[in-house]
Amino acid sequence: DAGVIQSPRHEVTEMGQEVTLRCKPISGHNSLFWYRQTMMRGLELLIYFNNNVPIDDSGMPEDRFSAKMPNASFSTLKIQPSEPRDSAVYFCASSPRGGAGYTFGSGTRLTVV
Amino acid sequence: RKEVEQDPGPFNVPEGATVAFNCTYSNSASQSFFWYRQDCRKEPKLLMSVYSSGNEDGRFTAQLNRASQYISLLIRDSKLSDSATYLCVVNFGWRDDKIIFGKGTRLHILP
Repeated sequence: DAGVIQSPRHEVTEMGQEVTLRCKPISGHNSLFWYRQTMMRGLELLIYFNNNVPIDDSGMPEDRFSAKMPNASFSTLKIQPSEPRDSAVYFCASSPRGGAGYTFGSGTRLTVV
Repeated sequence: RKEVEQDPGPFNVPEGATVAFNCTYSNSASQSFFWYRQDCRKEPKLLMSVYSSGNEDGRFTAQLNRASQYISLLIRDSKLSDSATYLCVVNFGWRDDKIIFGKGTRLHILP
């Protein structure tokens, strides 16, 4: 298995632009998570899905952020419009239902200038 | 009280020494506990789960104290390759896949 695949690895964009981050979870994993990591705040859970259904989006900072999981093998995190304070590393992780096998993707390093 | 709290460090430890970290959690209903390791500019990776009876994996020992709501990680005979950030992770219930990460403890092993 190729693991959790995220794209792009790096993204530099101008303030106000739309940014879309992509994630392909491990096949067979029922849960998918989006995290954001910064030096100041550490790893923050933004949203997670079980069986493609959003379960908890309380970590989504504001309406500029949205996430979708149209099928079991794909999820997106969209920021529109982006702001400099959104600069961070965004990780996607997946796990089997109720399991300890949380596997992270390599992350997307987002810089908003 | 923060949900999961760790000493950020850094811990600067000579090679071969023993080092221990603690992590406290706020939710007494928490069910599952883990230690993750994160290398610089890399993703977090599962180091070990933490069981109620304590568990050992080579040079690493993890312990859980439910009464005091903390978990610990002990590294014996530390190696240069152990230098990383160690993240304490807590799952809030067997029905809930939501896991919360501590901000991590940075460890530097000195030659």
